[in-house]
Parts: sequence; C-alpha cells; structure tokens
Amino acid sequence: EAQVTQNPRYLITVTGKKLTVTCSQNMNHEYMSWYRQDPGLGLRQIYYSMNVEVTDKGDVPEGYKVSRKEKRNFPLILESPSPNQTSLYFCATRGYYGYTFGSGTRLTVV
Amino acid sequence: TQLLEQSPQFLSIQEGENLTVYCNSSSVFSSLQWYRQEPGEGPVLLVTVVTGGEVKKLKRLTFQFGDARKDSSLHITAAQPGDTGLYLCAGVERTTGFQKLVFGTGTRLLVSP
Repeated sequence: EAQVTQNPRYLITVTGKKLTVTCSQNMNHEYMSWYRQDPGLGLRQIYYSMNVEVTDKGDVPEGYKVSRKEKRNFPLILESPSPNQTSLYFCATRGYYGYTFGSGTRLTVV
Repeated sequence: TQLLEQSPQFLSIQEGENLTVYCNSSSVFSSLQWYRQEPGEGPVLLVTVVTGGEVKKLKRLTFQFGDARKDSSLHITAAQPGDTGLYLCAGVERTTGFQKLVFGTGTRLLVSP
C-alpha cells in the first residue's frame, strides 16, 4: 500500500529542546514537502525537496530545518522549538496522480 | 504566493440537503485540486480540474473550475453524514521546472442525520 508515514503522531515538548519529526514514503517519489496546518490559515508549506540533491524553503521556513539524504526519508528538524511552532504538521509526496499526505504530527511546545 | 479564500468557513446541514463551497482567488492557477480531510488524518485528494470551465463529477460531488481559472466550486447533492469533514481547495502554481500547491483556508462541513 502506498504510504507516507510520519512519526510521532503526537508530541509534547518544552521550549528549546531539539526534536525531529520523521517522514518516510514507499512510493519512490522524488518530491517531498512539509506543511503546517493552523486554524484559519490552512496548510502552509515549510520546506520542500525536489530530489535528494535539492531542498528549498517554502512560505514559513523560519525555525525549521530539513534533510534529504535518501529518497524515501525527509525529516523535519526543530533545533530550538518555541510555542509558536505548536501546530499540526504534515509530510507529503507528489507523484503522477497528485499529492499524498501523511496522517500528521500534532506538536505542542510548552 | 497567491491566496485562496474559501466560503463558507463552516457549514452545518441536515442529511439530504444540497450545498456549495466556493474557492476564490484574484490570480490564475494552472490547475486546482480539492481535498477532504477527516479528523486525525491528512488531506486526501478528491479531484484535479485543469481546464477553464471544466466540470468533473464524483458520485454526488460536482467540481467546477472557473472559466478564467481563478475560482472553483464544489457542489454536494443530497449530503450524507459520511460527507462530514474539512474541504480544502488548493491551487497549483506552475513556473519553469517548479510546481507549488497553495491551499485555501478550508470549509468545515457537518452533516447531521
């Protein structure tokens, strides 16, 4: 089954404690991206990766890093999380038939 | 980045009613997608419309892309409780060698039995 798998699904952390949200896909897609979803703001793109050699900033990249060392994985890194990064995060891939999203990671930073 | 506005933001109706959700932008998109998102899950693609004026039907759901490719609508006939969810439109921006998805703010639909 074609899947985008995110972990963890839920995470509560404290301000300043580095964390990583993992994303893995089994569809051999070149393109992967991260979004955050906030009430009234829809989904906003954080970072995207065209392939293992190319990553670039989306609309809201501040406070985030990404890594694309291999095609299937695209982790999202928060070096020093702050409360304004409390949000619902989605990883997505893009293939011939369109975008496939993971089930989301709900992050709370206290 | 182009912005997409959806209306209404919330819609609560009874089973069997019809409804229309609108997605509007001041800018042109190369295509437009509609997604449905259920609690605890990511958005799931329903349809992509590409040509201005295009109409696509998915069972009781009818999607239309505006002639100028700036707006779209989703019409549901005889809504059922299973239609409950968050509906998102997303415009596809396409430049040379690059494609980006811009999401609308969403319409939350509740269909009561």
